[in-house]
Amino acid sequence: EVQLVESGGGLVQPGGSLRLSCAASGFIFSSYWMSWVRQAPGKGLEWVANIKQDGSEKKYVDSVEGRFTISRDNAKNSLYLQMNSLRAEDTAVYYCARYPVSGPIDYWGQGTLVTVSS
Amino acid sequence: DIQMTQSPSTLSASVGDRVTITCRASQSIAYWLAWYQQKPGKAPKLLIYEASSLQSGVPSRFSGSGSGTEFTLTISSLQPDDLTTYYCQQYHSYPITFGQGTRLEIK
Repeated sequence: EVQLVESGGGLVQPGGSLRLSCAASGFIFSSYWMSWVRQAPGKGLEWVANIKQDGSEKKYVDSVEGRFTISRDNAKNSLYLQMNSLRAEDTAVYYCARYPVSGPIDYWGQGTLVTVSS
Repeated sequence: DIQMTQSPSTLSASVGDRVTITCRASQSIAYWLAWYQQKPGKAPKLLIYEASSLQSGVPSRFSGSGSGTEFTLTISSLQPDDLTTYYCQQYHSYPITFGQGTRLEIK
């Protein structure tokens, strides 16, 4: 059974940093692109970033480019999102998701809430 | 960026109704379109991929059609469990983008 479990969310001040983690199990992690998708409270879904199987390619939405970094450790079956220079508008539930080679996202974690507020 | 526009934003329907949600892309995405169902407080669930392929385990009352710029999600006979929010998503090119969502509510 595919399982994706996020952790690392919490309350952070504007300008601060946070690192999200996602533990994957139930599939061959190193064979899949992986994604982060977020959802602001009461709002729709926004794709944030994708990373290739070996980490050699990374894609970002413009609003986080230069502030967020997606990475992975295939030996630990783990995905990460380093978030720097956080803004109030980054407040959202962040989902880790599996992205097959030709897409689309087919499995999602339960999400972790990030709140950016003073 | 490719903009995805869903209509309607809210749809009132009765159990047993045939329901159709439309998703339009701002440029051609061929058939690289997915539909997701999201219940309150839960992660989205993949229903349809490549515009018309039913994801494993999804009830056959759900179907998708379309190509290019116009797509539809149809529920042939609405069930109480279907009363929630639906999103389309294009994965033709980066950035991946979602529609704004359609909320199905009871009439």
